[in-house]
Amino acid sequence: AQSVAQPEDQVNVAEGNPLTVKCTYSVSGNPYLFWYVQYPNRGLQFLLKYITGDNLVKGSYGFEAEFNKSQTSFHLKKPSALVSDSALYFCAVRDNSGTYKYIFGTGTRLKVLA
Amino acid sequence: DTGVSQDPRHKITKRGQNVTFRCDPISEHNRLYWYRQTLGQGPEFLTYFQNEAQLEKSRLLSDRFSAERPKGSFSTLEIQRTEQGDSAMYLCASQVGTTQNTEAFFGQGTRLTVV
Repeated sequence: AQSVAQPEDQVNVAEGNPLTVKCTYSVSGNPYLFWYVQYPNRGLQFLLKYITGDNLVKGSYGFEAEFNKSQTSFHLKKPSALVSDSALYFCAVRDNSGTYKYIFGTGTRLKVLA
Repeated sequence: DTGVSQDPRHKITKRGQNVTFRCDPISEHNRLYWYRQTLGQGPEFLTYFQNEAQLEKSRLLSDRFSAERPKGSFSTLEIQRTEQGDSAMYLCASQVGTTQNTEAFFGQGTRLTVV
């Protein structure tokens, strides 16, 4: 069975500092990995995805993620955090059956402190 | 077309009442999903439509839940005889294509509170 783990419930970082939100996965076959962000009382907004190719994926709002096959990780990163980045972040793996549904992690709350 | 639209945004209902939510996906998106998100958890898959056909239902979808997507356009999710445990955010997502490469787009969700 496929699964995603986000080991940190919350990450605090000072504005201007680099941030990392961790994600590890377990899949059979090739992983299709995604990051989404959720602001309060809102739906999920797509940030970036890894399908194949370069291990460093660039996405929206200056975010990037590093795919590491040997460590089965897909950590979200940003070189310089903004207060407006404060939100709930979800890592997801796509089910490899025909539905292509997502299996989400439990989420990591990011707080960027001014 | 500005994205996936869900209605209503908020619903408060008494236990035992029936509720229905609507989702309008992005035009030309043949795949439509319903997820449920409870506090402190990630979204959990409920059901999937490809065009008008409902192709998968999660075991989370008890027989009190029913979903439809007539004509492969908008979708409705109905919960009969609501229970307090049904309180959650219900998210709809749509996706185009026949490959795993494309991302899903989510609506803003319907927050259900059962009192």
